Amino acid sequence: EAQVTQNPRYLITVTGKKLTVTCSQNMNHEYMSWYRQDPGLGLRQIYYSMNVEVTDKGDVPEGYKVSRKEKRNFPLILESPSPNQTSLYFCASSPLVTGVRYEQYFGPGTRLTVT
Amino acid sequence: DAKTTQPTSMDCAEGRAANLPCNHSTISGNEYVYWYRQIHSQGPQYIIHGLKNNETNEMASLIITEDRKSSTLILPHATLRDTAVYYCIVETSGSRLTFGEGTQLTVNP
Repeated sequence: EAQVTQNPRYLITVTGKKLTVTCSQNMNHEYMSWYRQDPGLGLRQIYYSMNVEVTDKGDVPEGYKVSRKEKRNFPLILESPSPNQTSLYFCASSPLVTGVRYEQYFGPGTRLTVT
Repeated sequence: DAKTTQPTSMDCAEGRAANLPCNHSTISGNEYVYWYRQIHSQGPQYIIHGLKNNETNEMASLIITEDRKSSTLILPHATLRDTAVYYCIVETSGSRLTFGEGTQLTVNP
């Protein structure tokens, strides 16, 4: 089944304790992206990647890191989490072909609480 | 990317058509209109997209006005499972999506 998976689905952690949220897709998509969703602010893009070893900042990249060493994986790293990073996080992927518009496939979400 | 305006909420009776409007008066010539929906904090789900022609797929129809300043998503026979937040997004590539607050559609039995 074509899907985007995220782990963990729920995480409660403390301020300053490094964490990684994994994202994996099995559709051989070039494009992958991370979003966070907060009440009243909608979904905002954190980072995106056009292909392996190619990443770029989205609208709210502060406090986050990403890497794209393999096509299928796009982990989100919080080196020193803070309470303002408490949010619902979504990973997404899509094909990337010049001149063609594709839908994005979203993962199920990771609910992160930083105390 | 162009900004969109959607009603905050709408209601629809089960089995009837749900017509969700979206205004995008500053849309540029190379921007597409995308519709996604999100059911209760699940990952957003793609519905449909279009440039200037009306589009239809198994989920919905998209009607774009001739001047492209507004569009309407039509769910022809709404069911209870269509209750969700619906997002109208305009964007050039489909990759850098900016989600607003969307329209909360409630389908009533």
